[in-house]
This record gives sequence, structure tokens and C-alpha cells, in this order.
Amino acid sequence: DTGVSQNPRHKITKRGQNVTFRCDPISEHNRLYWYRQTLGQGPEFLTYFQNEAQLEKSRLLSDRFSAERPKGSFSTLEIQRTEQGDSAMYLCASSLETGMREKLFFGSGTQLSVL
Amino acid sequence: EDQVTQSPEALRLQEGESSSLNCSYTVSGLRGLFWYRQDPGKGPEFLFTLYSAGEEKEKERLKATLTKKESFLHITAPKPEDSATYLCAVQYYTGNQFYFGTGTSLTVIP
Repeated sequence: DTGVSQNPRHKITKRGQNVTFRCDPISEHNRLYWYRQTLGQGPEFLTYFQNEAQLEKSRLLSDRFSAERPKGSFSTLEIQRTEQGDSAMYLCASSLETGMREKLFFGSGTQLSVL
Repeated sequence: EDQVTQSPEALRLQEGESSSLNCSYTVSGLRGLFWYRQDPGKGPEFLFTLYSAGEEKEKERLKATLTKKESFLHITAPKPEDSATYLCAVQYYTGNQFYFGTGTSLTVIP
């Protein structure tokens, strides 16, 4: 197992197009998180899954964003009708939540540029 | 209100010049405090987790400490390859989110 994998690494799209990103977590991890990061900022929480259930979404998350994790394995993040403000690095992280102790392991991210 | 504040925003050190980075958190009920290293264009890389005041963790030239209101990442005799952004994150008992600071950008000059 080589860690959290994200595809694609880079995505350039035109405003108004839809994009979809994929995340493959570490195989035994039951939690999966999506974060967004812009230049000079720390990662900002978007949503997370425990197994296949989406348990929390950021109040800042637009209705244009949707995430799925079918069968509790890989996850996809879709952005509909992209806007220039969506340009950012989208990070996926996974963790094995055991009791109260949890550590996030991140993938390399997908860099989205909306023209 | 920001959950996590990191200082300084940027730090330039000569190789071998030791220093500390600070992470302060504002809410009680800390479940865990985490330090990550991030290189440009890459995802954060896990360094340390601290769970209770007084706890310390070490890895090579890095040492993380935790008090009731803040954490320090001490860098001893840094090398140019330590240049990166160091992120601090906290998790509280009230939820499962991890709240990240904006990071400290460290540059170590040979």
C-alpha cells in the first residue's frame, strides 16, 4: 500500500464545466476527508465520510459541490458549473479512527485551475 | 474566530541556527494537536500528534511540545532540506473536523 492516491494531479477547465476528482484512501482506513487549499492558506475542511456515510459537510460548501464514497472505498468529488473562485488544490486524506485517536494521511492533491 | 494561529508566517534561518515555531489554539476540549510538513505542490506530510499538556515528541532535528494553550515545533541545527511550510492542526472532542492554521514557511539558507 503506497498511501492515499489522488487523480488527476492537475486539471485545467473552463468556467462553467463540470469536473470530477478521485481519491483512493489507504485500504484499511474507515474515514475519508476532503479539504481545499489556496495559496498561502491552510487546508479548509469540505466534507468527510465514515465508511460510505457522509457525516459532515462544511457550511461553506456550495450546492455545486458533491462527494460520494460508494461501498466505503474510493471517493469522488464533483464540482458542477465551475467558477474561477474554485481554483485551488483539492486534498484528500484518510484515517483509521480507533476510539478517540485519529491521524490524517494526505494524498498529493489535485490542482484545479478554472480559466 | 480562528481556531488555530501559527507564528511567525515566515522564518529564514541560517543552516545550523535553531529556532521554534508556534501554534496557539483558542478553544478548550482539545482532542489532539498535529504537526504536518508541506512541500510546494504536495499534500501535507504527517509529523507528530500530541494529546495532552506536557507531552513531547521527537524526530531527527524536530521536537514538538504541547502546553494547555499552545504547541511549539523546535528545529535544532536545521539543514536546507528542512525548508518547507509547517502546518499545525487541532481536533476537538466536540466534533471530528481538523482545523488547520495557515502555516509557517521555513527557509534554511546554506
